Amino acid sequence: AQTVTQSQPEMSVQEAETVTLSCTYDTSENNYYLFWYKQPPSRQMILVIRQEAYKQQNATENRFSVNFQKAAKSFSLKISDSQLGDTAMYFCVLLARGATNKLIFGTGTLLAVQP
Amino acid sequence: KAGVTQTPRYLIKTRGQQVTLSCSPISGHRSVSWYQQTPGQGLQFLFEYFSETQRNKGNFPGRFSGRQFSNSRSEMNVSTLELGDSALYLCASSLRDRGDTEAFFGQGTRLTVV
Repeated sequence: AQTVTQSQPEMSVQEAETVTLSCTYDTSENNYYLFWYKQPPSRQMILVIRQEAYKQQNATENRFSVNFQKAAKSFSLKISDSQLGDTAMYFCVLLARGATNKLIFGTGTLLAVQP
Repeated sequence: KAGVTQTPRYLIKTRGQQVTLSCSPISGHRSVSWYQQTPGQGLQFLFEYFSETQRNKGNFPGRFSGRQFSNSRSEMNVSTLELGDSALYLCASSLRDRGDTEAFFGQGTRLTVV
């Protein structure tokens, strides 16, 4: 079975500061993808960043970067220079590579960026 | 380019009724997946369609069913509604079926069962 665990239900950060969201996962697959999605109050689920398991280099997208530790099955998201618009629920998501688009979601971390 | 469109946005149904939700994927996308989001259970996978074929099904009772049409639009149906079916239902579309392209989500249908 594949599982994703997010142990931080809520977090808060001051505007312009840096915050790290944690995620651990479990899968028996060797090839898989990991994602961070955000869901703001509008409910629109938006892809933040994606990591392919076979790539050792950590993914980066502007202010967002990940720390991917494959052996430890850990996948954390770092948000630099936090902005008010970053306030959202953040989901860590696992997808086994192959003939499927079935996403396995963690329980989410509600991030509040304070002015 | 139009995004994923889910209709209706909001629904209120009575226990025992049935409901049909619709999802129009991004033009050219052939894969559609459905998810149920509740405060208690989080986001759970319902089913996945590709080229009108159901490829995966989540652990939901048979009251939950779906289909995909030749234009890739998808519908999901829930029969004999229960209070616990109240949830946000999200649809995601992808270009291919192999997970190697981004999944785009609609804004969801909020179903309330009373």
